[in-house]
Amino acid sequence: AQSVTQLDSHVSVSEGTPVLLRCNYSSSYSPSLFWYVQHPNKGLQLLLKYTSAATLVKGINGFEAEFKKSETSFHLTKPSAHMSDAAEYFCVVIRRDPSGGSYIPTFGRGTSLIVHP
Amino acid sequence: KAGVTQTPRYLIKTRGQQVTLSCSPISGHRSVSWYQQTPGQGLQFLFEYFSETQRNKGNFPGRFSGRQFSNSRSEMNVSTLELGDSALYLCASSSGQGAYNEQFFGPGTRLTVL
Repeated sequence: AQSVTQLDSHVSVSEGTPVLLRCNYSSSYSPSLFWYVQHPNKGLQLLLKYTSAATLVKGINGFEAEFKKSETSFHLTKPSAHMSDAAEYFCVVIRRDPSGGSYIPTFGRGTSLIVHP
Repeated sequence: KAGVTQTPRYLIKTRGQQVTLSCSPISGHRSVSWYQQTPGQGLQFLFEYFSETQRNKGNFPGRFSGRQFSNSRSEMNVSTLELGDSALYLCASSSGQGAYNEQFFGPGTRLTVL
């Protein structure tokens, strides 16, 4: 079975400082992993995705994530936070339902990023 | 290109009633997925339709159903509403089948069950 855990419900940073949003997954095989962002009153938007091509994945708006198989992690980082980065971030893994065979996108509980001026 | 649109944006129903939500995907997208978002359970996958056929299904009771039309527009129906069905229902479209493809989300329909 596959699942995903976002280790922090809230992360607070100052503008211009680095951002780290943590995500751990459990998987019985090589996973497909995603990060989505949800800004207030806006639809969710894909930041980046890992599909085994490269372990360091670059996304939009300066975000990147590194797939570490040994640590079962897919943490999201950004060197310098901007006020506009304040949003809810979701780590997603695709899991296969063993009973019906469906491929189910499983979302973490989300991490709220707060950026202080 | 216009984004994913969902109607209505807000809905209030009472227990026992049924409700139908509508989703129009981005032009050219053939996959539509539905999600339920609540404070308690977070974001949960309901089902995905591709070319008018349900391709993937989450772990929701049969009261939750959907369909997709030949123009890729999709509807989701919830019968015999319960208080716990109060949620934000999100629709997402993508060009290919399955969540491995980038999904584009709509603004959601906020359903309140009284």
